Amino acid sequence: GAGVSQSPSNKVTEKGKDVELRCDPISGHTALYWYRQSLGQGLEFLIYFQGNSAPDKSGLPSDRFSAERTGGSVSTLTIQRTQQEDSAVYLCASSLGRTSGAGDTQYFGPGTRLTVL
Amino acid sequence: EDQVTQSPEALRLQEGESSSLNCSYTVSGLRGLFWYRQDPGKGPEFLFTLYSAGEEKEKERLKATLTKKESFLHITAPKPEDSATYLCAAANDYKLSFGAGTTVTVRA
Repeated sequence: GAGVSQSPSNKVTEKGKDVELRCDPISGHTALYWYRQSLGQGLEFLIYFQGNSAPDKSGLPSDRFSAERTGGSVSTLTIQRTQQEDSAVYLCASSLGRTSGAGDTQYFGPGTRLTVL
Repeated sequence: EDQVTQSPEALRLQEGESSSLNCSYTVSGLRGLFWYRQDPGKGPEFLFTLYSAGEEKEKERLKATLTKKESFLHITAPKPEDSATYLCAAANDYKLSFGAGTTVTVRA
């Protein structure tokens, strides 16, 4: 079946411009996550959605970052006034969204490589 | 604060030379320990989930084990196609805390 898809695969932008990154989760997955992977660093949690609500936005690095999810499906991560330190690979993952018990397996998309010049 | 540490950072193996990767974790209320494989330019690919100490899972040449403080990923008789970065992550409820990964290179 179809996995998590992300677009664009690559984005080059100039400092100060806004960018939107899109994530299409696996059909039927109610939970959706955004992570950031900088060169040589581990994956850094950004935000978690359960359905359309975001109970945990604690990983968003600044108020320039925002995310929304509509219809319990597609999510968009928006970075306003991009800075060079925003350059990274942005990964989206989805899971079934079990709310108790064992940890939920997260399945990742291919990522969007963002380069801010 | 939840912490996951992987060692070694890099591992170079000859084809057929078995080895183990280590993942030590400090997570309150562990809900699961996950292993992923990541190839260059791609997203992490799910390999295993372990939920309780003593649990083991196998897939082809890979075997993952879990204790109360560590997990090991054993690679038996590796082939060049096993070359990748292997990531472990510990789940506290929904949030995964990732280690920095072990990059494995298998030479023919």
